[in-house]
Amino acid sequence: AQSVTQLGSHVSVSEGALVLLRCNYSSSVPPYLFWYVQYPNQGLQLLLKYTTGATLVKGINGFEAEFKKSETSFHLTKPSAHMSDAAEYFCAVSVRGNKLVFGAGTILRVKS
Amino acid sequence: DTGVSQDPRHKITKRGQNVTFRCDPISEHNRLYWYRQTLGQGPEFLTYFQNEAQLEKSRLLSDRFSAERPKGSFSTLEIQRTEQGDSAMYLCASSLDYGEQFFGPGTRLTVL
Repeated sequence: AQSVTQLGSHVSVSEGALVLLRCNYSSSVPPYLFWYVQYPNQGLQLLLKYTTGATLVKGINGFEAEFKKSETSFHLTKPSAHMSDAAEYFCAVSVRGNKLVFGAGTILRVKS
Repeated sequence: DTGVSQDPRHKITKRGQNVTFRCDPISEHNRLYWYRQTLGQGPEFLTYFQNEAQLEKSRLLSDRFSAERPKGSFSTLEIQRTEQGDSAMYLCASSLDYGEQFFGPGTRLTVL
């Protein structure tokens, strides 16, 4: 079975500062990994995904994540936070693109 | 195509009543997923269809829940004899085979 742990239910950064959202996963088979963003009263939007190949994955809005198999991690980063990045972020794992197993989410607050 | 749509967006009902939600996937997508999201948690998988066949159901899907996807197009999720614990956001997603899952805006259910 797969599971995801997101460290920190709330993260607060200043505008222009580095964003780092942590995600660790558990999977008995090679995983597919995802980061989704959810704005209030909206559905989930895919930021980026890792399936196979290059372990550093670039996504939309300047976000990127690195798959580290030895650490079972898939942390999300962005060099410089913008006010519009304030939202809830979910890390998810799946097996070969089947059903998604989500973490509990991290709410990102960006201070001006 | 305008993406995945869900109807209604909000539903308030009294305990013991039956409710039905509808999801219209992206037209060429053959897979359709239902997830449930409670406050402070990530979405949890409920069930999914490939075309009209329901291929997997979570243990979260009690006997009071039923989902259909007639003709492999739209899907309905019915909850019978609603309980207060059913209050949640119900999310629908669709994909083409094992590709990216696109999420709808969700239906927020409140059971009084």
